Amino acid sequence: GQSLEQPSEVTAVEGAIVQINCTYQTSGFYGLSWYQQHDGGAPTFLSYNALDGLEETGRFSSFLSRSDSYGYLLLQELQMKDSASYFCAVRDPGENQGGKLIFGQGTELSVKP
Amino acid sequence: EAGVTQFPSHSVIEKGQTVTLRCDPISGHDNLYWYRRVMGKEIKFLLHFVKESKQDESGMPNNRFLAERTGGTYSTLKVQPAELEDSGVYFCASSPAGERSRYNEQFFGPGTRLTVL
Repeated sequence: GQSLEQPSEVTAVEGAIVQINCTYQTSGFYGLSWYQQHDGGAPTFLSYNALDGLEETGRFSSFLSRSDSYGYLLLQELQMKDSASYFCAVRDPGENQGGKLIFGQGTELSVKP
Repeated sequence: EAGVTQFPSHSVIEKGQTVTLRCDPISGHDNLYWYRRVMGKEIKFLLHFVKESKQDESGMPNNRFLAERTGGTYSTLKVQPAELEDSGVYFCASSPAGERSRYNEQFFGPGTRLTVL
């Protein structure tokens, strides 16, 4: 089966940098995604890595190492509004496109002043 | 473009009652998914529609859950009879078909928070 592991919670201060790690076990691989969910809101797509390396989008970056089955989300210049849950996810390998997502348990990030 | 909408936002029911959740996907999205998050745990897949057809219902917990997608537009998820363990947040998500489904991106609704007492 497929499984993803990520820390349950992380705390950091405003302006700092935080890294949220994710390790996965899948029988096939179609890329690693990250979603952000504010309390009571909809999970929203942040990033996607299909190939090894770093993808940067503004203050957020995501990294993937397929050989290590590992990725991370890097948040820089933390702001209070970044306090949220962050989920890593992979697509079910049974379908080429449009298949279900398999999520990690989520990391609750608390940003303190 | 309107996002994915879900109704109701909250529902509190007694054990044994019936509840129906509704999801309106983004217009034109063939793929529609239902997920559930139970307190503090991962978001778990329930069901996937492609247009009006059930593509994958491997995540449905049991036969108390029934999902439909009328005419390939909106979808409903009925829980009958509800049990205590059904409490959680039910998310609906949609994505376009085929090559337009980039980066594994699915568009989620805000969820329905279901509490079974």
